[in-house]
Amino acid sequence: NAGVTQTPKFRILKIGQSMTLQCTQDMNHNYMYWYRQDPGMGLKLIYYSVGAGITDKGEVPNGYNVSRSTTEDFPLRLELAAPSQTSVYFCASSYGQVDEQYFGPGTRLTVT
Amino acid sequence: GENVEQHPSTLSVQEGDSAVIKCTYSDSASNYFPWYKQELGKRPQLIIDIRSNVGEKKDQRIAVTLNKTAKHFSLHITETQPEDSAVYFCAASGSYQLTFGKGTKLSVIP
Repeated sequence: NAGVTQTPKFRILKIGQSMTLQCTQDMNHNYMYWYRQDPGMGLKLIYYSVGAGITDKGEVPNGYNVSRSTTEDFPLRLELAAPSQTSVYFCASSYGQVDEQYFGPGTRLTVT
Repeated sequence: GENVEQHPSTLSVQEGDSAVIKCTYSDSASNYFPWYKQELGKRPQLIIDIRSNVGEKKDQRIAVTLNKTAKHFSLHITETQPEDSAVYFCAASGSYQLTFGKGTKLSVIP
């Protein structure tokens, strides 16, 4: 099993550009999550999904969108990138509602 | 919503000594408390977790204690080794969402 994979690993965006961060898991987990991690801070939940076709907002959803058309994939869309979105983004998945979350390797995004 | 406070933010110990990291949470409905270790430039990885029906859990040199009445839980690492140096995050969950503390940077001095 590859576990949770994310692409790209690094990206530099200009203000106002858009991009999609890709996340795929091969563990047949129903639950998937997107977090952002700012320097010296913990992880903040952006969006989560409890299954294909079902998504909901987390703590910091503004400026982001998600979709979940399959069990495996949970892409995160940034529209009109802003410097405040400079961060490391982690995707995670879990089997159950309160089970271990497995994290992807992260995407380091810089918006200038 | 849930609020998780974690202390200390940095901790330095001599190799072989013990390290203790403490967290408090606000939502009495939270029932799952994991601890994650994150090495520099790497992803967070679960090292131990505890559920609300248990007061203590051990795994070799690592233990976690939970006091639901006081709404706090702690991570204990004994016989610390240089490879224990990392950032440790506590978290609490009562539903779909994990709320993380801000992390403790542990440095183990050889």
